Amino acid sequence: EVQLVESGGGLVQPGGSLRLSCAASGFTFSSYWMSWVRQAPGKGLEWVANIKQDGSEKYYVDSVKGRFTISRDNAKNSLYLQMNSLRAEDTAVYYCARGPYQLLVGYYFDYWGQGTLVTVSS
Amino acid sequence: SSELTQDPAVSVALGQTVRITCQGDSLRSYYASWYQQKPGQAPVLVIYGKNNRPSGIPDRFSGSSSGNTASLTITGAQAEDEADYYCNSRDSSGNLNWVFGGGTKLTVL
Repeated sequence: EVQLVESGGGLVQPGGSLRLSCAASGFTFSSYWMSWVRQAPGKGLEWVANIKQDGSEKYYVDSVKGRFTISRDNAKNSLYLQMNSLRAEDTAVYYCARGPYQLLVGYYFDYWGQGTLVTVSS
Repeated sequence: SSELTQDPAVSVALGQTVRITCQGDSLRSYYASWYQQKPGQAPVLVIYGKNNRPSGIPDRFSGSSSGNTASLTITGAQAEDEADYYCNSRDSSGNLNWVFGGGTKLTVL
């Protein structure tokens, strides 16, 4: 059974840092792109970042470029999101998701964790 | 970057058919994927590719696409289908980014 379990969320002051982790199990982690997707309270989903299987390619939404860093440790079956210079608008539930997986000219995220809440407030 | 537009809310009578739409330029190049999210829960993939359902998703869910519009159809909506639905696509502007629609709140009456 595929499982994705996020951790590391919490309350942090504006300008602070936080590192999120996602522990993966039930599949060959090193074979998949992985992503972070967030959801601000009462709002919709927003793709944040993703990373290729070997970590050689990383992509970010414009609003977090230069502040967030996605990484992975395939030996530990773990995905990470280092978040620096946090702002109030970064407050959200952060989901770890497997994918994007490409099928012809479509992409999808097939498994999601339960999310971890990050609150940026003084 | 690309944008995907969804109606904020749609309602359907129990047992009837409802279509949820998603519009955006990227949909001319890429199929959308669709996600169901119930309150307090993580999103669940319901449709991907041309019209594919993951294991465990009822066959009353189907997908289609035409031009810049993707659609999720629920044929014979059930009470448990009441949820938020999000479409997603790769950004077609040249960036290797992904974009979600704003979501549609489906109410089953």
